[in-house]
Amino acid sequence: QVHLQQSGPGLVKPSQTLSLTCVISGDSVSSVSAAWNWFRQSPSRGLEYLGRTYYRSKWHYGYAVSVRSRILIKSDTSKNQFSLQLNSVTPEDTAVYYCARSFDGNLDSWGQGTLVTVSS
Amino acid sequence: QSVLTQPPSASGTPGQRVTISCSESNSNSGSDYVQWYQQLPGTAPKLLIYRNTQRPSGVPDRFSGSKSGTSASLAISGLRSEDEADYYCVIWDDTLSGWVFGGGTKLTVL
Repeated sequence: QVHLQQSGPGLVKPSQTLSLTCVISGDSVSSVSAAWNWFRQSPSRGLEYLGRTYYRSKWHYGYAVSVRSRILIKSDTSKNQFSLQLNSVTPEDTAVYYCARSFDGNLDSWGQGTLVTVSS
Repeated sequence: QSVLTQPPSASGTPGQRVTISCSESNSNSGSDYVQWYQQLPGTAPKLLIYRNTQRPSGVPDRFSGSKSGTSASLAISGLRSEDEADYYCVIWDDTLSGWVFGGGTKLTVL
């Protein structure tokens, strides 16, 4: 049973960096069968894919066009976790952020979600 | 870029059968498979249907999926009050190299 535990601040000031971490149990961040994704959900934008990382002989990273200039996803094998950094945030980045595993083409395990509010 | 269109709302009474549609605008997404997710209030989405018709273990057989061309459907039979949730269709778009979500359908059990 895979479990994803998210952590990070719930309040970020405009223009600063949003940082979230997703700790994995029951699987490995360097699994050659899985990918590790970030999403967000807001009333205005619905559910939105942000990016992912996966290991297939080397590390791969992919980002959604909408955030490509501001996003960084990292993997940490020593802590079996992956993280999201979103730079230069604005109030439009206010959302519930989720991490999720994709396995065999399905998003089969999700973190609990973190509400991040961008406000001064 | 693919767009998945769902009706914003659906409703039914206990015991009824309801269907939720999902129409894909771009037939060149490279995706043959649609997934469906159920999101109960205040929780993360949960995988309900994968590869158009398959149910993960633990999902009741009251839930079924189908796909024809660029249209997919989720059917819920024997509707129960606990089915009241938001339902999303999702695909992996090869041209975008990203996940695409429908706008979601809010199901109300009257």
